[in-house]
Amino acid sequence: SQELEQSPQSLIVQEGKNLTINCTSSKTLYGLYWYKQKYGEGLIFLMMLQKGGEEKSHEKITAKLDEKKQQSSLHITASQPSHAGIYLCGANTNAGKSTFGDGTTLTVKP
Amino acid sequence: DAGVIQSPRHEVTEMGQEVTLRCKPISGHDYLFWYRQTMMRGLELLIYFNNNVPIDDSGMPEDRFSAKMPNASFSTLKIQPSEPRDSAVYFCASSPFWDTGELFFGEGSRLTVL
Repeated sequence: SQELEQSPQSLIVQEGKNLTINCTSSKTLYGLYWYKQKYGEGLIFLMMLQKGGEEKSHEKITAKLDEKKQQSSLHITASQPSHAGIYLCGANTNAGKSTFGDGTTLTVKP
Repeated sequence: DAGVIQSPRHEVTEMGQEVTLRCKPISGHDYLFWYRQTMMRGLELLIYFNNNVPIDDSGMPEDRFSAKMPNASFSTLKIQPSEPRDSAVYFCASSPFWDTGELFFGEGSRLTVL
């Protein structure tokens, strides 16, 4: 079965700093998406990547899918306290199911 | 527009009791998903429906779990009998398509089974 591994598991950064979260798949990705979750709340869709080399941005958050389509990175520029939360990557497997990584918990210190 | 609405938000029950979680998807969304989130196992897909028909229930952990979607605007996830290991946050999500990756999640139902 396809597994998604996220790194790091948790991250603490000072406000204003840049950071990167990675998501690695054990198999070729047919679609990779990023969600953000705040504690006690549901997941909010950020963006989806489908083509190798594709890069998308949402405000100060940029995500890229590598050429081989087995890894994605999420980059936040000039982090703010509002960026704090849990970031999850997810993917559709070729069996038509969705799977998610375990998430990366981001803390932004003011 | 109202998002996905789940109820109850919190449920505390005793082992052996029946639990029913409810979900109202976004109008016009043909796909409805039930997920379970725990610290140990992360976010797991339990079952999903397309046009009210269950398509894949292979994620449903046991026969104690059942899900129904009697119409396009309502779905239930039932656990009978409940066990402490069922304690988790259960999310409902809907989408107009399954393969866009963009699921619209409810705020979840936090279940605690004592």
